[in-house]
Amino acid sequence: DAGVIQSPRHEVTEMGQEVTLRCKPISGHDYLFWYRQTMMRGLELLIYFNNNVPIDDSGMPEDRFSAKMPNASFSTLKIQPSEPRDSAVYFCASMRTPNTEAFFGQGTRLTVV
Amino acid sequence: AQKVTQAQTEISVVEKEDVTLDCVYETRDTTYYLFWYKQPPSGELVFLIRRNSFDEQNEISGRYSWNFQKSTSSFNFTITASQVVDSAVYFCALRGNNAGNMLTFGGGTRLMVKP
Repeated sequence: DAGVIQSPRHEVTEMGQEVTLRCKPISGHDYLFWYRQTMMRGLELLIYFNNNVPIDDSGMPEDRFSAKMPNASFSTLKIQPSEPRDSAVYFCASMRTPNTEAFFGQGTRLTVV
Repeated sequence: AQKVTQAQTEISVVEKEDVTLDCVYETRDTTYYLFWYKQPPSGELVFLIRRNSFDEQNEISGRYSWNFQKSTSSFNFTITASQVVDSAVYFCALRGNNAGNMLTFGGGTRLMVKP
């Protein structure tokens, strides 16, 4: 398996623009997580899905953030409008069952200028 | 609520030294899982080990070993004969069975191994 695949690897955008991050989980994994990593706050869980259904989105910073999982092999995290404080590395991870480990993608480094 | 504390923010050693990275956790769950991940300079998060709360047996994998002690709520990670390639940020993480499958990470320990 190719592992968790995220795109793009790097994104530079201007404040106010819409940004869409993409994730393809490992096939057969029922859980998908979106994390954000910053120097100040470390690794934070934003939202996670089970069988394509959002289960906990309490970590989503505000209404500018939204996430979808239209099918078992694809998820998006959208920021609209983007702000400089959204600059971070965004990780997607997938997990087969609750008693197994999560595997992470390589991350998307987002810079909002 | 669950919490993971990695008190050592940065450790510097010389190659071939042994080094232990500390991890202390808090959870109200009786069933939980502990993890270690490695984040090398390239930025990806690499899974190293998973331990469940019912298995306190220590584990060794090559130069890596893990010491899980429920009595002190600790899950420490030791690298024996460290190498420059071990330089990375290491994260300890916890997932409790009643925490909604949320993986809570510690703040990470940056390990620098000098030649």
